[in-house]
This record gives sequence, C-alpha cells and structure tokens, in this order.
Amino acid sequence: NAGVMQNPRHLVRRRGQEARLRCSPMKGHSHVYWYRQLPEEGLKFMVYLQKENIIDESGMPKERFSAEFPKEGPSILRIQQVVRGDSAAYFCASSPGRGGYNEQFFGPGTRLTVL
Amino acid sequence: GENVEQHPSTLSVQEGDSAVIKCTYSDSASNYFPWYKQELGKGPQLIIDIRSNVGEKKDQRIAVTLNKTAKHFSLHITETQPEDSAVYFCAAYNEKLTFGTGTRLTIIP
Repeated sequence: NAGVMQNPRHLVRRRGQEARLRCSPMKGHSHVYWYRQLPEEGLKFMVYLQKENIIDESGMPKERFSAEFPKEGPSILRIQQVVRGDSAAYFCASSPGRGGYNEQFFGPGTRLTVL
Repeated sequence: GENVEQHPSTLSVQEGDSAVIKCTYSDSASNYFPWYKQELGKGPQLIIDIRSNVGEKKDQRIAVTLNKTAKHFSLHITETQPEDSAVYFCAAYNEKLTFGTGTRLTIIP
C-alpha cells in the first residue's frame, strides 16, 4: 500500500509565476490536509479537504492560494503570482476519517523555491 | 486558537542516555496529542500518540505522558541510539493539528 505521494518534490519558480503542488492520498483515505513549513519551524495548518469539499481553510492566506480535491485525481494546492515569502516546504497528509483519533500520514513534501 | 510550545529547541545526549522533550498547550478542548519524527528531507512520521483519557503510554523505548490539568505532555526516549537523531514535533488536536516548533535531537556516539 503506497504512502502519501507528492509531486514534484522540488519546484523552482520565478516571482509572479504560478506553482501547482499535487498530493495523492493513501489508498482508502478521503481526507487531505495541507501544511506549510518554513525553515527551522514547525508545520502550520493551511487547509483541510474531503473529496470535492473544502472543510476548513482557516490557515490559508486570503489571496493567491487555493486548494481543491476533485472527485477523481490528486489534491492540488495552487499558488498564484508567487513571491519570495512563499518559499517553504509544503506537506500533504491524509487520513481515513476526521477527528483526532485518525492518524494523519504525511507525504515527503514539495520544496518550493521562489527566485 | 490552540498554541503549542515546545522545549528545548535543541538537545544533545550521549548514546544510551535518555532524552526528554516537553510541550504545553493552551486549549483545554484538545483531545489528541501525537508526536512526530522528521528526518532531513522527509515528511513527519508518527512515532507515538496519546489521547486525553490516558495519562501515559509506552512503546518500547518511547513513552509519552500527559497532564491534562497542567496542559502539558512529554516525550521520553530511553537508551538512545544514533538513529534517534532527528527533529521531533509535538502536536495537539482540536478540530485541526497545531504543531510545536520542534526539537532537534542529536545523539552523540
């Protein structure tokens, strides 16, 4: 059973470009979470999605950031018009259900560098 | 919202000694407390967790304690080995996971 998959693993963008990060949850998991990690810091919650629904986006910046989890295919975190401050590692996690008793399994992350 | 503080930020221990990492949380409604280990270039991996109705849990060399009254929980690693070197994160769950800032643990051979 493959774990959570993220691609690309490394992404370089110039300021003003768009970044698309993809996450395929573990088989059987319908809950996806996105986190951002700045160097030497902990992970910060961004958004929680179920298939076709955004459940909690309280950690998402109000502008330029969006996320989706379509019925078919991976979850996508999209960052428009990237700025240098967007440089970070972005991690996706999945779980089989909601609630603290459902372990979140993390992917290897996408390291975004904005030049 | 929830706020999780973690100490120390760095910790070096001799191989074979014990390591203790402490966290405090602010939201009394948090009910699940996982600990994650993150190795360089990888995603966090769950190593142990504890629920709010339990005071202590042990899994081989790793143990976690929870004091709900004081709102703090701790990770204990005994008989440390070089492969325990990593960054460790505590987290508290109430509708979402809130992470501590991490502890870089170095095991000195």
